[in-house]
Amino acid sequence: KAGVTQTPRYLIKTRGQQVTLSCSPISGHRSVSWYQQTPGQGLQFLFEYFSETQRNKGNFPGRFSGRQFSNSRSEMNVSTLELGDSALYLCASSSGDRDTEGYTFGSGTRLTVV
Amino acid sequence: GDSVTQMEGPVTLSEEAFLTINCTYTATGYPSLFWYVQYPGEGLQLLLKATKADDKGSNKGFEATYRKETTSFHLEKGSVQVSDSAVYFCALAESARQLTFGSGTQLTVLP
Repeated sequence: KAGVTQTPRYLIKTRGQQVTLSCSPISGHRSVSWYQQTPGQGLQFLFEYFSETQRNKGNFPGRFSGRQFSNSRSEMNVSTLELGDSALYLCASSSGDRDTEGYTFGSGTRLTVV
Repeated sequence: GDSVTQMEGPVTLSEEAFLTINCTYTATGYPSLFWYVQYPGEGLQLLLKATKADDKGSNKGFEATYRKETTSFHLEKGSVQVSDSAVYFCALAESARQLTFGSGTQLTVLP
């Protein structure tokens, strides 16, 4: 069974640019969540999508957005990049039905903003 | 809101030592509780979970018991190995929509 696939693994962007990250969940999973991991702030929740609808959103500025397609694949977009956006971005998938099952995480996309 | 407080690291142990990583939580309801592990350069892996009070989660020699009375979910292992060196995260979920994580505890096991 394939796991959660995130692309690309590494990305270097310049301040002011925008970036799109991709996540393919486990087959059959309808929920995709995104988290930002930094040494200073730890793991912070960005947003969660279920069947193409955003169900929950964390406390991030509007520069951070996402979407989910009908095949459950999800993309995350960050516009007008800032140095502080440098982080590991993790995607997680689940069935989305219950809080008890936990999530399966991808290996992440390491974004560096210069 | 929900929060998770983890023991500050880093923790350094000798091989075969006993491990405890403390985790306490604050939640409005009755969350599910998880321990995740992150190896260098990788994403998070679910280590174990417990979904109701007094449940014990276990995996690969690690154990944690859901204690509602003390709002705790401490991670333990009787004999650590060098391969257990990683960062460990305690987390809770009150719905299927979000995980709330602790700050993580770096564990280093020396041979």
